[in-house]
Amino acid sequence: GAVVSQHPSRVICKSGTSVKIECRSLDFQATTMFWYRQFPKKSLMLMATSNEGSKATYEQGVEKDKFLINHASLTLSTLTVTSAHPEDSSFYICSARPLEVNTEAFFGQGTRLTVV
Amino acid sequence: KQEVTQIPAALSVPEGENLVLNCSFTDSAIYNLQWFRQDPGKGLTSLLLIQSSQREQTSGRLNASLDKSSGRSTLYIAASQPGDSATYLCAVYNQAGTALIFGKGTTLSVSS
Repeated sequence: GAVVSQHPSRVICKSGTSVKIECRSLDFQATTMFWYRQFPKKSLMLMATSNEGSKATYEQGVEKDKFLINHASLTLSTLTVTSAHPEDSSFYICSARPLEVNTEAFFGQGTRLTVV
Repeated sequence: KQEVTQIPAALSVPEGENLVLNCSFTDSAIYNLQWFRQDPGKGLTSLLLIQSSQREQTSGRLNASLDKSSGRSTLYIAASQPGDSATYLCAVYNQAGTALIFGKGTTLSVSS
């Protein structure tokens, strides 16, 4: 199947700093990528839909100024957690769907963010 | 608003047993349904994708069924093995190109 690479897999940062997470589709192009957040023992919650060449669409309750999303090309989307706080500690996963219709979504390996 | 529910939340079985995981969704007008596996601290592995026009998909020991009219899907695992221990997530697409909506998952433990 298609490969989505997410980097880094783990990151520890200090409160108040910013962290950037990259999501790359390695062998296909995706006009749309999705960012999810997963709390312990909870399901994946959609944070935002990232559209290549345009602004991301954020879900209700997600602060767009805190979680900056950039989709600069058909194979790369980035999520930047700005001014991180301990409550931002979580597991973040990206997903990408190939341009073709009726294809499944492919997921990155996830990023474990710990803010200390 | 689409909601996905998975029952049971956790399941423990001895090796070799056949088992069924259940998934239900509130809005039957889905586009596709997908089952995933997630190991602790890891990302998602896609298991099966069922398009809305299909009723089931099979891959090895796994069989997933879809009944759109009743808003249900089941994942059947035959001859379970300790390596099957993981959390299984059910997710639906409401429309083409939209994001997946996930259930909370069923955590499976298979003992040897």
